[in-house]
Amino acid sequence: DAGVTQSPTHLIKTRGQQVTLRCSPKSGHDTVSWYQQALGQGPQFIFQYYEEEERQRGNFPDRFSGHQFPNYSSELNVNALLLGDSALYLCASSLQGAANEKLFFGSGTQLSVL
Amino acid sequence: DAKTTQPPSMDCAEGRAANLPCNHSTISGNEYVYWYRQIHSQGPQYIIHGLKNNETNEMASLIITEDRKSSTLILPHATLRDTAVYYCIVRVAPFTAGKSTFGDGTTLTVKP
Repeated sequence: DAGVTQSPTHLIKTRGQQVTLRCSPKSGHDTVSWYQQALGQGPQFIFQYYEEEERQRGNFPDRFSGHQFPNYSSELNVNALLLGDSALYLCASSLQGAANEKLFFGSGTQLSVL
Repeated sequence: DAKTTQPPSMDCAEGRAANLPCNHSTISGNEYVYWYRQIHSQGPQYIIHGLKNNETNEMASLIITEDRKSSTLILPHATLRDTAVYYCIVRVAPFTAGKSTFGDGTTLTVKP
């Protein structure tokens, strides 16, 4: 049973560019959340998708957008990249309404903006 | 979600119990306590969660005080592989209904 998979594992971009990160949830999960983790800090919630809609959003600008597909996979898009967007981007999946609703995280995409 | 406070770092001898505290004095009656850990270069991993009763699973035990204002995660026999950052999170379940607020956690170093 595959867990949460993210691609790519590493990415280097320059300021002003756009990037798309991808996530496949754990089998049987229907909800995907995205987090940004700067070096030395805890993960910060970006947004959550369920039934192909954004359900919750953290304190991130509109440059950060996402999408969820019918197969529950998800993409995170960041436009007009800034140096400060350099971070580890984590995807987490879960099952809506499950009795033990815990998050399963992928290993993340390390984004470097030069 | 309620705010949590954790010590920034702790050490533990291999084979001994590691006791990681978390303060959540503003916790509401419908908020659960969740613990995750993050080993270097990996995503966070769920450990355990509870509402008001003590909980135990194959990884750890969770002790919640009677007033629910604090909790302790116990790793009964710490190994070197338990070296990680441990996060205490307090939030309303269901988990998927909203965002999770991770603080900076406690860096646990298990020493030989």
